[in-house]
Amino acid sequence: GESVGLHLPTLSVQEGDNSIINCAYSNSASDYFIWYKQESGKGPQFIIDIRSNMDKRQGQRVTVLLNKTVKHLSLQIAATQPGDSAVYFCAENNYGGSQGNLIFGKGTKLSVKP
Amino acid sequence: KAGVTQTPRYLIKTRGQQVTLSCSPISGHRSVSWYQQTPGQGLQFLFEYFSETQRNKGNFPGRFSGRQFSNSRSEMNVSTLELGDSALYLCASSLAGSSNQPQHFGDGTRLSIL
Repeated sequence: GESVGLHLPTLSVQEGDNSIINCAYSNSASDYFIWYKQESGKGPQFIIDIRSNMDKRQGQRVTVLLNKTVKHLSLQIAATQPGDSAVYFCAENNYGGSQGNLIFGKGTKLSVKP
Repeated sequence: KAGVTQTPRYLIKTRGQQVTLSCSPISGHRSVSWYQQTPGQGLQFLFEYFSETQRNKGNFPGRFSGRQFSNSRSEMNVSTLELGDSALYLCASSLAGSSNQPQHFGDGTRLSIL
């Protein structure tokens, strides 16, 4: 499989502001993407997913946008809170490869200032 | 519903020893995947089990092995431990392990090799 990368390794935002975390993927055949949040000492926690037949999907305070033309994925967090401080990973399925195998980006650390 | 449970949480071993890690998936989930997480390499896929069969394997040496039991619980084993095996080992489960289902992670086993 090909790698998934992240544009920004660190992001610092003020509490209450909106956060945008970006991700670039290289395998145009990938058709499923997931965002995970990992807090210190814990495993990655599922946030939201999106299939390639969609451009946008919304959850509670989070929105994922998929731009297949430029192979770009973003996670928007509205009204960012201190509890949102964590490392965020995007992941893509290894389409055409093995099932049960997600390819992860390097992660972006989100720091929320009170 | 209980999440993915991994035991033990922490382990300290010395070079040359072997270790077995355990994972109990979410009830009803039949697919279990294992990942290694290190600061340098990020999250890397080890292998995936479904219905007691290893369905896919990542690019790791044969010292890394695993198995799955009839109740979907899984174990992974690392033999002849090396210093570079120090990492957080994460287990993730999904319903059937198809390429467009989210995987849910446990909090991992932190393995330190002295």
